[in-house]
Amino acid sequence: RKEVEQDPGPFNVPEGATVAFNCTYSNSASQSFFWYRQDCRKEPKLLMSVYSSGNEDGRFTAQLNRASQYISLLIRDSKLSDSATYLCVVFPPGSARQLTFGSGTQLTVLP
Amino acid sequence: ETGVTQTPRHLVMGMTNKKSLKCEQHLGHNAMYWYKQSAKKPLELMFVYNFKEQTENNSVPSRFSPECPNSSHLFLHLHTLQPEDSALYLCASSPLEAWETQYFGPGTRLLVL
Repeated sequence: RKEVEQDPGPFNVPEGATVAFNCTYSNSASQSFFWYRQDCRKEPKLLMSVYSSGNEDGRFTAQLNRASQYISLLIRDSKLSDSATYLCVVFPPGSARQLTFGSGTQLTVLP
Repeated sequence: ETGVTQTPRHLVMGMTNKKSLKCEQHLGHNAMYWYKQSAKKPLELMFVYNFKEQTENNSVPSRFSPECPNSSHLFLHLHTLQPEDSALYLCASSPLEAWETQYFGPGTRLLVL
């Protein structure tokens, strides 16, 4: 089983739609979770951290379910500029400063 | 954004060549990283440096040789690479107190013929 698993997509949604991505992780002792965004042929950039209580940043909402070992990202009112690959990132225990990345979920927002 | 720069942006090399990738960060960070990103695969961490000291080497073949002369500069020396080493090589940096917040450079797209 992969350490971090994501549906690769692609997700093609119309502008204004709500879209959700899930990510599962294998190590139940993992401590920290993040979503990064990577535009086509560009570098990854931190989008948001994921907290146990869930957190929101504008149109983006991240949730963590430790019991089921999954993380979600919800994007409301999708914009064309949201088109990118979204990377789920986990900090597993016993791996100082080693983030584990998922393969990413590709999103295309269509006009 | 010019927080983390990488040169060259593109590189084509033969299997017998020796080349170096350069990374420079202007963010005052103390930790620097090399990652490899192959098509349809997750980012793979290769090396970690804290205050110029290598702290992690994730079983990377010796044909990849990192060098960190100071906290702002990181090199990846390449020699006798294989075609399967073709990938995007990303450099990142972070502050030690918030190491999980990593800032990536634009990457060097490497093709080994």
